[in-house]
Formats: sequence, C-alpha cells, structure tokens
Amino acid sequence: GAVVSQHPSRVICKSGTSVKIECRSLDFQATTMFWYRQFPKKSLMLMATSNEGSKATYEQGVEKDKFLINHASLTLSTLTVTSAHPEDSSFYICSAGTGINYGYTFGSGTRLTVV
Amino acid sequence: DQQVKQNSPSLSVQEGRISILNCDYTNSMFDYFLWYKKYPAEGPTFLISISSIKDKNEDGRFTVFLNKSAKHLSLHIVPSQPGDSAVYFCAANNNNQGGKLIFGQGTELSVKP
Repeated sequence: GAVVSQHPSRVICKSGTSVKIECRSLDFQATTMFWYRQFPKKSLMLMATSNEGSKATYEQGVEKDKFLINHASLTLSTLTVTSAHPEDSSFYICSAGTGINYGYTFGSGTRLTVV
Repeated sequence: DQQVKQNSPSLSVQEGRISILNCDYTNSMFDYFLWYKKYPAEGPTFLISISSIKDKNEDGRFTVFLNKSAKHLSLHIVPSQPGDSAVYFCAANNNNQGGKLIFGQGTELSVKP
C-alpha cells in the first residue's frame, strides 16, 4: 500500500525563525499532496493542496506567505512555516495517495512548538 | 460551516460489546466517505470507506453504514477491543474537488476491559 513519510516528527523553534516540514511518498508518485493542521482536541483542517510543478492552492483563511509550500518533485512536498509565532504551534499532517485512494494516506505528523 | 459533524466527543464501551460512532454531513455533493483512527501525536490511519452508491461496507470487525437520505453514516465495531481505544474521525470527499478531505470533529472511543 501507499506509504507517506513525514519529517521531522517533532520540532521546537524560537519565535521569528522558519521551520521546514517534509512530506514524501515512498513507493509511489504523488502529483498532489495535501497539508492539514490539527489544534488540540480539534478536527483536522485542510490548509492547502500542493501541486507538483505549480503553485499550491490555499484554503480560505490560510496565509500563503506564512505557510510556504513547495512541491518540487513527484515524491516530495515541503511546508515552511515562516517567521513562526507561538500561535503557529500545532500538529501538521500531510497526505497523499494514488488511484482510488487518492489523497487518503497520511504521514505521521509533525508537532511544531514555537517558543 | 461544519460540513461534517460528529456530535459525540466521546464514547465509552465495554470490551466485547458493539461500538457505534456516528457522523452527519450537510453537503449532498460528497460522494465518498472514510473513517480514520488516530492516536495522539500520530497521523490518522485509514480504517474503512464507503462510496455514496452503497449503503454498507464491511471489513472484519468494522462496518460502515450510509444513509444518504438522512445524510448520516455510522461506524460499527464489533466486538470492541481495548486496542480500539482511540479518536475516530469521519471524513468526506467530493470527487470533483480531488482528494481533499473534510473531517468531522472526532469521537474519542474508550473500550474498557
């Protein structure tokens, strides 16, 4: 089955710095990946759709200059949280997939803490 | 606008009994529904799905029922096991919008020995 790897699993950064999170499809090619964010005891909220070779599509209310997405290859999408603030602390998860399970396999998530 | 709703934040069930998790949706354009199991600090793990052209899908101890007229789906787990304790999310997809999923708020299931 499809495997999605996400790295790092946990990161702590200082306020004002930038953090990059990687999402890789290990055994398949993903022209599209998805980035979600989960607040404590809340649902997963779609942030953006990452498209290989083109600009990401952001959901309403998500700042594209704050959350930079790059999908440079068919197996890698990155999410960079720029100039991070404590309110950006959250659990970020990516997803990808192929065929009938398009977009349905999730990475293990990244816990970001901004201090 | 919460298009997918799980109105029960938690559910406690005795081991061996049936667990029933409910989910309601408002968007009639959704044509594919999924259930995920999630542990803290981990990504969701796919459990079972159902297409809108079906009303039931079964996989081992897990069965998903879909009532399109009521815009309601449910996940049945029988028999429930302590290892089933986790947060369960239902999610919906509109095939016209690619693979992005709209999630419910989740229900925390606790199965007691």
